[in-house]
Amino acid sequence: LAKTTQPISMDSYEGQEVNITCSHNNIATNDYITWYQQFPSQGPRFIIQGYKTKVTNEVASLFIPADRKSSTLSLPRVSLSDTAVYYCLVGESGTDKLIFGTGTRLQVFP
Amino acid sequence: SAVISQKPSRDICQRGTSLTIQCQVDSQVTMMFWYRQQPGQSLTLIATANQGSEATYESGFVIDKFPISRPNLTFSTLTVSNMSPEDSSIYLCSALGQGLGNTEAFFGQGTRLTVV
Repeated sequence: LAKTTQPISMDSYEGQEVNITCSHNNIATNDYITWYQQFPSQGPRFIIQGYKTKVTNEVASLFIPADRKSSTLSLPRVSLSDTAVYYCLVGESGTDKLIFGTGTRLQVFP
Repeated sequence: SAVISQKPSRDICQRGTSLTIQCQVDSQVTMMFWYRQQPGQSLTLIATANQGSEATYESGFVIDKFPISRPNLTFSTLTVSNMSPEDSSIYLCSALGQGLGNTEAFFGQGTRLTVV
């Protein structure tokens, strides 16, 4: 099973921009990259999805380089309520499996 | 989009018993997956639930311990058999939506299992 890795944890302060990178060097050619937010005792919640270059929505931006072997979730001006675990999700090359990244625990301080 | 109803949301079970978790999707989906999230760890894929055939299990997971059914394109069950305290975990089902080149996945709200 291919490993999709992320930093274990990150700390930030309210109002700062946070960038979380996911390494996924075995991503399927035609699959999208998706990021999720998870609060304790809840299922993952969709944040953003992209295939290449840059995608932006009302809550985040997603940067994907040309080789697609990594992606960076950017959270502008985080607040205390953004404290959560963030996962990337990619399709594995050669299979139909969806693989979660190892997860990044973001702690936002006042 | 799709909505997934997963139940039970939580349960406390005795050692040696079995629990079946159900996932119902409100639309037909191409693929369904089952994950486990042990305390403090990432989501780990248990198996891919295949419609009309045996599930495909990941390394470390076997059918005798985690039998899975998927009788149609909208429903799947995962059974945790002969439970021990080490099976205490969150179990999550996921469905892959249909769409041109879109792999957006949808998730149930999870089942928090405690084995005593």
